[in-house]
Amino acid sequence: AQSVAQPEDQVNVAEGNPLTVKCTYSVSGNPYLFWYVQYPNRGLQFLLKYITGDNLVKGSYGFEAEFNKSQTSFHLKKPSALVSDSALYFCAVRDPASGTYKYIFGTGTRLKVLA
Amino acid sequence: DADVTQTPRNRITKTGKRIMLECSQTKGHDRMYWYRQDPGLGLRLIYYSFDVKDINKGEISDGYSVSRQAQAKFSLSLESAIPNQTALYFCATSEGVWGGETQYFGPGTRLLVL
Repeated sequence: AQSVAQPEDQVNVAEGNPLTVKCTYSVSGNPYLFWYVQYPNRGLQFLLKYITGDNLVKGSYGFEAEFNKSQTSFHLKKPSALVSDSALYFCAVRDPASGTYKYIFGTGTRLKVLA
Repeated sequence: DADVTQTPRNRITKTGKRIMLECSQTKGHDRMYWYRQDPGLGLRLIYYSFDVKDINKGEISDGYSVSRQAQAKFSLSLESAIPNQTALYFCATSEGVWGGETQYFGPGTRLLVL
């Protein structure tokens, strides 16, 4: 069965420092992986995705994520955090080999960037 | 995303009432979805539609129904609302390669069932 885990409910980081938001997954085949961000009173916005190819994926607003098959992880990173990055971040996974349409979203990680 | 709109944005209703949440999109996408978001649970798929004639149940469809009136419109109904349907509801659309498509979300409808 597909699953995705975001082990940290909240991550605090100082402005200017690098940030990492963790995501691990479990699928039977090769995964499709996504990161979305949710700002207060807004819907989710797409940040980046991994479908195939280069394990390092670059996305919007300076974010990137690295697909690590051996560790079944897809951590979101940014070299220098901004206060405006403070938001709720969701990882999502889909197993295209499952034969069903089903995206599994993580429970979300709240990122707080401190000035 | 302003291309996906939801009405109402907030709704308070009573147990047993029938209510409808509406979603419209101007992105021209065929695929549309309804999710609910609960604290600590992430997003869960209620229904999805790949075109006007194709509607499918998601993982938590009990107590909900949908109508795809046109390519641009996808409505979610709660036939007889109950308190545990209190949640934040999102409509979304998508484009791209099957399974790997990017989803575009509306601003959400916050529903409170008393």
